[in-house]
Amino acid sequence: DAGVIQSPRHEVTEMGQEVTLRCKPISGHDYLFWYRQTMMRGLELLIYFNNNVPIDDSGMPEDRFSAKMPNASFSTLKIQPSEPRDSAVYFCASRPNNRGGEAFFGQGTRLTVV
Amino acid sequence: DAKTTQPTSMDCAEGRAANLPCNHSTISGNEYVYWYRQIHSQGPQYIIHGLKNNETNEMASLIITEDRKSSTLILPHATLRDTAVYYCIVRAPTDSWGKLQFGAGTQVVVTP
Repeated sequence: DAGVIQSPRHEVTEMGQEVTLRCKPISGHDYLFWYRQTMMRGLELLIYFNNNVPIDDSGMPEDRFSAKMPNASFSTLKIQPSEPRDSAVYFCASRPNNRGGEAFFGQGTRLTVV
Repeated sequence: DAKTTQPTSMDCAEGRAANLPCNHSTISGNEYVYWYRQIHSQGPQYIIHGLKNNETNEMASLIITEDRKSSTLILPHATLRDTAVYYCIVRAPTDSWGKLQFGAGTQVVVTP
């Protein structure tokens, strides 16, 4: 397995534009997580899914952020409209449904909003 | 309140063992200790986890004290590629995944 795959690796966009980040989890993993990492706040959980269903979205900053998981092999995180303070590295992770199992992270998408 | 306490940074000579401490004095009986690391510009990488017994895998060993209030991650033969931020996390299997909080971690620098 190639691991968790995220695209794009880098994204530069202008304030106000819509941004869509993509994630392909490891096949067979039941959980999918979206994290955001900044120097100021460290690594923060935004939302996670179990079997394609959103379970906890309490970390989503505001209504400008939305996430979907239409099937077991694909998820998106959308920001509309984007703002400079959204600049960060966004990580997707997945894990299997076993107690104590570890999470596997993708390489991340570095988002810069100018 | 942070559930774990780690030193901010530590240096280690290449080829030597790196011993990374973590205090978790308020750990509950059903909480596991997890270790992750993050190499610069990469996503966090799982290393090892344990409940109360010592654990070993191909990457590292985890030593948990008998009272479970602290643990040590051991990298037996550190290499330059082990330079990374190491995170110690405690979490119960029944916890919401929002509680998998990555704190500041320990910046480990392996020097030649």
